[in-house]
Amino acid sequence: EPEVTQTPSHQVTQMGQEVILRCVPISNHLYFYWYRQILGQKVEFLVSFYNNEISEKSEIFDDQFSVERPDGSNFTLKIRSTKLEDSAMYFCASSGNLGNEKLFFGSGTQLSVL
Amino acid sequence: GDSVTQMEGPVTLSEEAFLTINCTYTATGYPSLFWYVQYPGEGLQLLLKATKADDKGSNKGFEATYRKETTSFHLEKGSVQVSDSAVYFCALTGSNFGNEKLTFGTGTRLTIIP
Repeated sequence: EPEVTQTPSHQVTQMGQEVILRCVPISNHLYFYWYRQILGQKVEFLVSFYNNEISEKSEIFDDQFSVERPDGSNFTLKIRSTKLEDSAMYFCASSGNLGNEKLFFGSGTQLSVL
Repeated sequence: GDSVTQMEGPVTLSEEAFLTINCTYTATGYPSLFWYVQYPGEGLQLLLKATKADDKGSNKGFEATYRKETTSFHLEKGSVQVSDSAVYFCALTGSNFGNEKLTFGTGTRLTIIP
C-alpha cells in the first residue's frame, strides 16, 4: 500500500528556533493535512491544504505556523519560533478526494522543544 | 463543538481474550465514525468505519456498531492476538459535506500478552 513519509522521525530544538517538518504525501493525492498529539492528549487537527492554499485551520494554527507545498512532492509545516508547548508528535496525512474519508497518515515526527 | 471520548488505557489482556474499547461522541447532525490503529513505529491506519446509524464496520476481526441512540461506537474483538497490540483511536468527521477534518479521542494503548 502507498505510504506517507515524514522526516525526521525525531526533532529536538531550542525554544525560539524555527523548525520545518517535512512530509511526502502519496503521489496522486490532492488534499493534505497536519495533525498533532501532545503527550497524553488527543490528536488535534491543525490545518488542511488543497490547491496550494489552506482550506481550513484550527485555533492552534496561529501566525507562528505555516504550511507550504514547495514542489510537486513535499508538504512542509514550519513553526517560526518554537515554544515549549509545541512539543508534540506531528502527523501528516493526505487523501485523494474530498468526501473520501480515508486519510493516509505518516508515522509522525516527534518534536521536542527544550 | 464535536468531541470524542474513549476509554482510557492502557489495557492489558491475555491472548484470546474478548476486547471492548468504549467510545462515545458528541456531534451535531450525522457524523461518520472511525477507528484508527497505530502499530509501533507506524502511522495511523484506518481500521474500520461506519457512516450512518446502525451500520457495523468490521475489519481483521474487529467490529464496531454506530449507535445513535447512545452516541457510541465501541470497538470489539472476540479473540485478541499478540499482533493486535497497538494504540487505538476513535474519531469522527462532521456531517457537513466535504468536512473531512477528523476529531480524535485520546487513544487507548492495548497490550496483549501471550
